[in-house]
Amino acid sequence: DGGITQSPKYLFRKEGQNVTLSCEQNLNHDAMYWYRQDPGQGLRLIYYSQIVNDFQKGDIAEGYSVSREKKESFPLTVTSAQKNPTAFYLCATRLNTEAFFGQGTRLTVV
Amino acid sequence: AQKITQTQPGMFVQEKEAVTLDCTYDTSDQSYGLFWYKQPSSGEMIFLIYQGSYDEQNATEGRYSLNFQKARKSANLVISASQLGDSAMYFCAMSRLGQGGSEKLVFGKGTKLTVNP
Repeated sequence: DGGITQSPKYLFRKEGQNVTLSCEQNLNHDAMYWYRQDPGQGLRLIYYSQIVNDFQKGDIAEGYSVSREKKESFPLTVTSAQKNPTAFYLCATRLNTEAFFGQGTRLTVV
Repeated sequence: AQKITQTQPGMFVQEKEAVTLDCTYDTSDQSYGLFWYKQPSSGEMIFLIYQGSYDEQNATEGRYSLNFQKARKSANLVISASQLGDSAMYFCAMSRLGQGGSEKLVFGKGTKLTVNP
């Protein structure tokens, strides 16, 4: 099946720990994006990448890091510097007029 | 700065009626794209429709159509013959040039649509 896989679906993290959210795609799309969604809010862009080994900061990149070593993969690391990491995280890909999302990862800091 | 504005936090519509969800955008780019997504309570984002800035015809996909008024910078979503399953959050998004020539995809805050039986 072609699609975007985010894992895990639910993630719990202790304060002060880094955690990495996985995003894998087999759509052969060039562009990939990470968003954060808080309850009742829209999607805010964290990082985006157009090609391998290149990525740009979005509107709320502080406390997050990414890598794009392969076209298929765009993992997001939530670092201990992120003050309020509890949120729903969505990964998306895009090729021209098509843009699709994964199922999301719900991160909770305990 | 917010580039996509959805002014209706919530909308109600009777089943089988049509509803229009508003979206205005702000860009100085000549080339851009506009998207609409549906997000049910399950959280998944479902792609509905796309309109390119150079497309002269309004996009349509089944019961969804996009009322694109370029001069007014609006891209309203029209849902015809509403169904109970249409109850969800709806997001308008725009692709525009970001750093290094990459295209950003930015979203509005969404409109919660409730379809009443």
